[in-house]
Amino acid sequence: NAGVMQNPRHLVRRRGQEARLRCSPMKGHSHVYWYRQLPEEGLKFMVYLQKENIIDESGMPKERFSAEFPKEGPSILRIQQVVRGDSAAYFCASSPEIQRGGQDTQYFGPGTRLTVL
Amino acid sequence: SQQGEEDPQALSIQEGENATMNCSYKTSINNLQWYRQNSGRGLVHLILIRSNEREKHSGRLRVTLDTSKKSSSLLITASRAADTASYFCATDGSGGYQKVTFGTGTKLQVIP
Repeated sequence: NAGVMQNPRHLVRRRGQEARLRCSPMKGHSHVYWYRQLPEEGLKFMVYLQKENIIDESGMPKERFSAEFPKEGPSILRIQQVVRGDSAAYFCASSPEIQRGGQDTQYFGPGTRLTVL
Repeated sequence: SQQGEEDPQALSIQEGENATMNCSYKTSINNLQWYRQNSGRGLVHLILIRSNEREKHSGRLRVTLDTSKKSSSLLITASRAADTASYFCATDGSGGYQKVTFGTGTKLQVIP
């Protein structure tokens, strides 16, 4: 069973360009989470999606950032008009259906390292 | 604000020694998890402990949870150079779904 896949692994963009980050969850997982990690910091929650639905986007900046998880295909995190401060590692995680009583383990992808020049 | 705060921020030990990392959190939780992150890599799930559990073991790992003190500890026994990594605790809210909040991590260096 392949793990969570993210691509590209490294992405370089100039200021003002768009960045599209892709995440394919583990087979059978219908929940996807995106996190951002700045250098020397922990992961910060951005958004939680189920198929075709955004459940919680409280951690995502209101402007320039958007996420989707279509019925078919990977989840996409899109950053429009990137700025230098967007440079970070972006991690995707997936989990199966939530078990009764709370949480299930999130499985993380290898991350996409975005560098904005 | 960060839910989980790991302590210490950095730890350097000799191979074979035990390493203990602590995590404190602020609000009530359903579960607490520990993850490892090797430099420049993704996160690897180590262990999950539920709020009604006090201690859990997995190989050389021992995790304790004290919900009255809102704290957890991760003990790695007989450390190896390959254990060198950052270790994060992650807590979920009690809101019924899996929004997980990570601490800032403890950087562990195991010297051969």
